[in-house]
Amino acid sequence: EVQLVESGGGLVQPGGSLRLSCAASGFDFRRFGMNWVRQAPGKGLEWLSYISSSRDTIFYADSVKGRSTISRDNDKKSLYLQMNSLRAEDSAVYYCARENSGYYSVYFDNWGQGTLVTVSS
Amino acid sequence: SSELTQDPAVSVALGQTVRITCQGDSLRTYYASWYQQKPGQAPVLVLYGNNYRPSGIPDRISGSSSGNRASLTITGAQAKDEADYYCKSRDSSGNRVFGGGTKLTVL
Repeated sequence: EVQLVESGGGLVQPGGSLRLSCAASGFDFRRFGMNWVRQAPGKGLEWLSYISSSRDTIFYADSVKGRSTISRDNDKKSLYLQMNSLRAEDSAVYYCARENSGYYSVYFDNWGQGTLVTVSS
Repeated sequence: SSELTQDPAVSVALGQTVRITCQGDSLRTYYASWYQQKPGQAPVLVLYGNNYRPSGIPDRISGSSSGNRASLTITGAQAKDEADYYCKSRDSSGNRVFGGGTKLTVL
């Protein structure tokens, strides 16, 4: 069974930093691209970042570009998101999601349960 | 533009058919995928590619695509279908993008 378990969320002050982790199990982690997605309270899903299986391709949404760094450790089957200069609007549930792809199709076939980040003084 | 547009809310009578749409330029090139999210839960993939359903998703849920529009159709809506539905695609730059979501109410 595919499992993705996020951790690292919590309360952080504005301007602070946080490192989110996503532990993967039940599949060959090194074969799949991975993503971070967040959802602010009462809002929709917002894609944040993608990293390819071999780490050679990385994308960021404009909302986090320059403030965040996605990384992965294939040996540890783990995905990370380092977030700096946090703002109140970064408060959200952060999900990691496994990416699969096919003919002109990219989709997130497995999601973690999310970790809550609250940015507040 | 890499934006995807969805109607904020749609309602359907129990047992009837409802269509949820998603519109955006990226859909001319890439198929949408669709996600169902119930309150307090993580999103779940319900459709991807050219109308493929993951294992466990009932065939009451189907998809279609034409031009810059993708649709998710629920035939014979049930109370358990009440949820938020999000479409997703990717743009030419590689960015993944979600639609704003549609809240489906089953009456």
